[in-house]
Amino acid sequence: SQTIHQWPATLVQPVGSPLSLECTVEGTSNPNLYWYRQAAGRGLQLLFYSVGIGQISSEVPQNLSASRPQDRQFILSSKKLLLSDSGFYLCAWRTGSGVYEQYFGPGTRLTVT
Amino acid sequence: GESVGLHLPTLSVQEGDNSIINCAYSNSASDYFIWYKQESGKGPQFIIDIRSNMDKRQGQRVTVLLNKTVKHLSLQIAATQPGDSAVYFCAESYNNNDMRFGAGTRLTVKP
Repeated sequence: SQTIHQWPATLVQPVGSPLSLECTVEGTSNPNLYWYRQAAGRGLQLLFYSVGIGQISSEVPQNLSASRPQDRQFILSSKKLLLSDSGFYLCAWRTGSGVYEQYFGPGTRLTVT
Repeated sequence: GESVGLHLPTLSVQEGDNSIINCAYSNSASDYFIWYKQESGKGPQFIIDIRSNMDKRQGQRVTVLLNKTVKHLSLQIAATQPGDSAVYFCAESYNNNDMRFGAGTRLTVKP
């Protein structure tokens, strides 16, 4: 069966510090991968998605970036965090074709102070 | 999307009552829809899906209704329980493209 992992689960970082959030998927090959952000009490905002290694599409221009160094690894990064980067970050995957459903990870709660 | 900046609408129901959560979708060509449930501090979890060639689908205690004429989707939860308290998101997809999520509705079940 497939599983999706995210770490860390929670993170408190000062403004201006770097960020690296990691997401890995097990039990599937060549998944589509997604990063979402969710502000407190609000909906899901799609940040990045990837259909393959090294292929990243950005939905919202900002100080975040994403990379996919391996087939089942997706990383969200920032060189300098802003207060507005605080939120709940969710990674999701789905198969490359046929099934539309996205499967979400447990999320990382980021607080920028 | 435009839903991201909005505070979530809320629905409060008594335990044991039926709940109806509504969603208006944007693309008349969307052919696949999902309802997700998100409990506090967790990632969204799949509840039920429906394809555009159907107008109703039932699961365990949940029913999804699709009205393509007015681009409306609803989730009905029978005999709502405290464990149903969560945020519920609808999502739409067209032709195997990626899903777009609605704003979400916060359901609170009062004992």
